[in-house]
Amino acid sequence: EAGVAQSPRYKIIEKRQSVAFWCNPISGHATLYWYQQILGQGPKLLIQFQNNGVVDDSQLPKDRFSAERLKGVDSTLKIQPAKLEDSAVYLCASSLGSENTEAFFGQGTRLTVV
Amino acid sequence: DQQVKQNSPSLSVQEGRISILNCDYTNSMFDYFLWYKKYPAEGPTFLISISSIKDKNEDGRFTVFLNKSAKHLSLHIVPSQPGDSAVYFCAARAGNNRKLIWGLGTSLAVNP
Repeated sequence: EAGVAQSPRYKIIEKRQSVAFWCNPISGHATLYWYQQILGQGPKLLIQFQNNGVVDDSQLPKDRFSAERLKGVDSTLKIQPAKLEDSAVYLCASSLGSENTEAFFGQGTRLTVV
Repeated sequence: DQQVKQNSPSLSVQEGRISILNCDYTNSMFDYFLWYKKYPAEGPTFLISISSIKDKNEDGRFTVFLNKSAKHLSLHIVPSQPGDSAVYFCAARAGNNRKLIWGLGTSLAVNP
């Protein structure tokens, strides 16, 4: 079974530039999550989709972050404009249901904002 | 406000011995707890979970204990192996469809 795919693996941008991350979840998984993990911290949920609807985006900085999940499958997370404090690993995860139990994570995208 | 606390940033154990990773929480509404393992440059991998209606769950070398009155859970790895060296995250959930709250992680080193 293929796992959660994310791209790119690494990205370096200058502050105020924009960046986009892509995620392809495990086939058949209805729930998709985007997490931000800053060095030395645990993952923080940015947004949770159930199919193509948003379940929770309470911690998404909506003035600069946006996410969409087209057709309930792939998802993109965008940051525009980026700030230095956005430097982190962005993890995508998916699960069969919405109960936040066993989620499968991708390898993440390491973003460095300089 | 850290609702899930892993107070030990790191732990070093000899191969073959027991590793005990601890996690404390403050929210009495948490009803489900999970442990994830993370290797460098990889995403977290689900390890084991426990519902608040239980006090123990075992899966091979991994056992999670839950003490609700103390709001404390622990992950035991017996026997520890060098391949267990990773960062271990404790996470908790309050009710269905609620987001997971994660601890800061404990870095485990199992020495041969």
